[in-house]
Amino acid sequence: GENVEQHPSTLSVQEGDSAVIKCTYSDSASNYFPWYKQELGKGPQLIIDIRSNVGEKKDQRIAVTLNKTAKHFSLHITETQPEDSAVYFCASLLYSGGGADGLTFGKGTHLIIQP
Amino acid sequence: DSGVTQTPKHLITATGQRVTLRCSPRSGDLSVYWYQQSLDQGLQFLIQYYNGEERAKGNILERFSAQQFPDLHSELNLSSLELGDSALYFCASSVGLQGNTIYFGEGSWLTVV
Repeated sequence: GENVEQHPSTLSVQEGDSAVIKCTYSDSASNYFPWYKQELGKGPQLIIDIRSNVGEKKDQRIAVTLNKTAKHFSLHITETQPEDSAVYFCASLLYSGGGADGLTFGKGTHLIIQP
Repeated sequence: DSGVTQTPKHLITATGQRVTLRCSPRSGDLSVYWYQQSLDQGLQFLIQYYNGEERAKGNILERFSAQQFPDLHSELNLSSLELGDSALYFCASSVGLQGNTIYFGEGSWLTVV
């Protein structure tokens, strides 16, 4: 089955700097890659997603890039703010004609924004 | 607020017992998913239902079962509970089967003592 590796497990950056979280996946047929943010005591919240027919997607300070050849995708957060502190999860999913199985998640990255 | 509602938020029960977790999907969503989150296993997919029918199974134990009712709400039944079943259980929903964003609820925190 699909395996998703996520790095780093912890990332500490100064407020205002950029943060980058990287993930690799194993199943070349996977075609949907969401990123979730989870704050303490809450459920995962979708922040951005990308499909395999797109190489890059941006939403304000957040961007995701996808390299299908390398089976690698990354989350970029610019101008980080204290409220960006949370655990971030990458995930992959294979959508096919019959539907899809569940998301396969990475282990998560604890992002700490230092004031 | 994602629009996915889960009850109860917290539950403490003894080993060997059975519990039922309930989920109401977002309005209009036909797919419901259940996930388990634990420190050692991370976020793991358990099972998916679409419009009342089971569509996909993940790492769900035989002691666990789920169903989706005609009003589209879903229940996850956990029986013969063990200490290792202590975890956060999330319900998620999406409109359909393909190409749709999956939204998560706030979770049900289960503690088995």
